[in-house]
Amino acid sequence: DTEVTQTPKHLVMGMTNKKSLKCEQHMGHRAMYWYKQKAKKPPELMFVYSYEKLSINESVPSRFSPECPNSSLLNLHLHALQPEDSALYLCASSQEPRYGYTFGSGTRLTVV
Amino acid sequence: DAKTTQPPSMDCAEGRAANLPCNHSTISGNEYVYWYRQIHSQGPQYIIHGLKNNETNEMASLIITEDRKSSTLILPHATLRDTAVYYCIVINTNAGKSTFGDGTTLTVKP
Repeated sequence: DTEVTQTPKHLVMGMTNKKSLKCEQHMGHRAMYWYKQKAKKPPELMFVYSYEKLSINESVPSRFSPECPNSSLLNLHLHALQPEDSALYLCASSQEPRYGYTFGSGTRLTVV
Repeated sequence: DAKTTQPPSMDCAEGRAANLPCNHSTISGNEYVYWYRQIHSQGPQYIIHGLKNNETNEMASLIITEDRKSSTLILPHATLRDTAVYYCIVINTNAGKSTFGDGTTLTVKP
């Protein structure tokens, strides 16, 4: 299995909702990442997990809460989001950074 | 973290070579250069990477200047399906961080 699987592919949520994005990989990669991508912009790094521990938080608002339950799974919990949080959320994994990343196909999030 | 600079857009005729430049003048010794592309807001797809030597795989070639301050991605025979946004990325292997440039939108025309 050489893929990163993200679910759901599309999500519409209200500003008072709580939802979660899921990312899964079975390549034995030790690092997992969340990126946010606005339309016509490059992906922006949000969080990095290394060996299931949060190693980088790029000053992301607390309404985004990452979780890494095990080495294959990465979640992003969403609460009280704003319409400007609407974006494509990408998950990636890597064995080591110098080997590059494998990206998932993303979750298209719309906050209404 | 090193930043990358790419031209915003390029055109290429189908069947011709596409040469996409990237400037990364502040790159440090432990940072790799990676190229990815993204089609229709799908997840970015890996193309090729290098540290200081030129590299070639089944998709493309990567030419890195001797001072490592710039690189060029070469798609030898561009097809219509190569139309995409191409990102040059510098990855800091110690920190595990990466910085995407703004990307080049390559349009391959018949």
